Amino acid sequence: DQQVKQNSPSLSVQEGRISILNCDYTNSMFDYFLWYKKYPAEGPTFLISISSIKDKNEDGRFTVFLNKSAKHLSLHIVPSQPGDSAVYFCAATDDKIIFGKGTRLHILP
Amino acid sequence: EAQVTQNPRYLITVTGKKLTVTCSQNMNHEYMSWYRQDPGLGLRQIYYSMNVEVTDKGDVPEGYKVSRKEKRNFPLILESPSPNQTSLYFCASSFAGREAFFGQGTRLTVV
Repeated sequence: DQQVKQNSPSLSVQEGRISILNCDYTNSMFDYFLWYKKYPAEGPTFLISISSIKDKNEDGRFTVFLNKSAKHLSLHIVPSQPGDSAVYFCAATDDKIIFGKGTRLHILP
Repeated sequence: EAQVTQNPRYLITVTGKKLTVTCSQNMNHEYMSWYRQDPGLGLRQIYYSMNVEVTDKGDVPEGYKVSRKEKRNFPLILESPSPNQTSLYFCASSFAGREAFFGQGTRLTVV
């Protein structure tokens, strides 16, 4: 039973356009949500997070939106750049940290 | 430099031969955890520790042991490795399970 779901295994976006990565969760006890980025042969790196008391958090080109009623969060990357090509993991936490399966983002030239 | 260091980076071993993967962090984080990454399954938490001498099972703890005798170290122990434990393993540390720093990974093959 997946508590954190990333339903799109991959996504291709033109350079300069907006990338939107989606994540759904089932456990209403999660109080903190995070996005990580992972390149091949490297460990995941933290990208951006949001507390359950907020609905938006922005950091440069990256914005995370949280819709608690829908149990849905999304990561927006604007504008998308070639270096954004990577696997993105959504994660949710109460004490344990539960990751989604990841979405591979390809930025097309 | 803030970092999480795992050793070894690569390991090939035989079924049943006990092994330990070490993890050390230099950020004085209370929270440390181990994950395995498998194709199509994402990152799954094996064990986590909220502080010294406090450890808890994650989602896939079977076949693994951990210990947290010091704040900076969190070794992962496979007492009797089996081929289904062939995977890519990551150690991570953070304050209170929030934004985590990950190690570079350990690719383990059990034959």
